[in-house]
Amino acid sequence: SQQGEEDPQALSIQEGENATMNCSYKTSINNLQWYRQNSGRGLVHLILIRSNEREKHSGRLRVTLDTSKKSSSLLITASRAADTASYFCATGYSGNTPLVFGKGTRLSVIA
Amino acid sequence: DGGITQSPKYLFRKEGQNVTLSCEQNLNHDAMYWYRQDPGQGLRLIYYSQIVNDFQKGDIAEGYSVSREKKESFPLTVTSAQKNPTAFYLCASTERGEQYFGPGTRLTVT
Repeated sequence: SQQGEEDPQALSIQEGENATMNCSYKTSINNLQWYRQNSGRGLVHLILIRSNEREKHSGRLRVTLDTSKKSSSLLITASRAADTASYFCATGYSGNTPLVFGKGTRLSVIA
Repeated sequence: DGGITQSPKYLFRKEGQNVTLSCEQNLNHDAMYWYRQDPGQGLRLIYYSQIVNDFQKGDIAEGYSVSREKKESFPLTVTSAQKNPTAFYLCASTERGEQYFGPGTRLTVT
């Protein structure tokens, strides 16, 4: 079952603008992760935020987590054409319990 | 794509034939996973294995089978019982909760 739900489904922006994607989930989690997928390729792990964290940064990426609202956001600042990809959130649980992935947001950055 | 390899990249089969997709990892990870992805969709879990000689069904296991005889290998067989096997198949392994994915195999059944 898919728990994470990304919003919007698709996003098109100009190069240099910021891109914000949101993820909502339904049950308690141990962590929330964001992944990136270029067309026809495997997913690449971007960032993991634990349930006791509220914000995390990695380069041009900023992730927030609001466990009271069961939501997370991924912000990509100063976007580049190379950021064009699909972005997925995944909810994580304890141990090696499988992640549950959402359907993704398709980001297009126009040069 | 880290230390996970999947082969082949593209696979074509006739309806009614079983086909086995390869997944190998050299990351020394205990847990491995198989996902199916359909166009414009997220990932759906087929099977996973947390340790050698043990595996569990995921959300859409019907028509698929797996084995885990070695830590490094987790092959997936798509059987003729799978009603709609054409899809993109992704293998992954896990360390500290983060998943590492292979490049995927695109299976087309006609």
